[in-house]
Amino acid sequence: EVQLVESGGGLVQPGGSLRLSCAASGFTLSSYWMHWVRQAPGKGLVWVSRISSDGSTTTYADSVKGRFTISRDDAKNTLSLQMNSLRAEDTAAYYCTRSDNGVWRYWGRGTLVTVSS
Amino acid sequence: DIVMTQSPDSLAVSLGERATINCKSSQSVFSSSNSANFLSWYQQKPGQPPKLLIYWAYTRESGVPDRFSGSGSGTDFTLTISSLQAEDVAVYYCQQFYSTPLTFGPGTKVDIK
Repeated sequence: EVQLVESGGGLVQPGGSLRLSCAASGFTLSSYWMHWVRQAPGKGLVWVSRISSDGSTTTYADSVKGRFTISRDDAKNTLSLQMNSLRAEDTAAYYCTRSDNGVWRYWGRGTLVTVSS
Repeated sequence: DIVMTQSPDSLAVSLGERATINCKSSQSVFSSSNSANFLSWYQQKPGQPPKLLIYWAYTRESGVPDRFSGSGSGTDFTLTISSLQAEDVAVYYCQQFYSTPLTFGPGTKVDIK
């Protein structure tokens, strides 16, 4: 059974850093493109970043470019999102999702990041 | 960037009646090389992650009731719930996966009248 479990969210001050993880099970992470999507409280879905199956290609939304870094640890079958220079507007639930040729059928339950002083 | 818009913002439909949600993209999301529209529909209930309903504009995901259907091509798409059930109360999002940044519509909230 395919499962994605996010962790690492929490309360952080503006300007701080946080590293999110997405533990994958039931499949090999290195066989798929993976994405992060976020959702601010009461708001819509926003794509954040993606990484290719071989890890050679990473893409970011303009709003996080230069501050966030997506990566994979194939040995641990885990996807990560390093978030630096956090802002209040980064407050959101962060979801990881697996892409099956562009189709996102598997999602984690999300981890909540709150940026506040 | 491809901007996705949805209409209406919300709608209330009687149980058993039809609900129709429209989605429009600012550019075509049809790929001639794939002969497919790179457009998905999701359902999201409070406190839950999005659930994939439809992909490639009209392909229903396995396990999704057949009262859900998708149609359209190019820039104009529709999600139809043919006979609304109580469990369909949710927010529905369209999403294009044609080009980055991958973008979602703002969502349409569906309630029972």
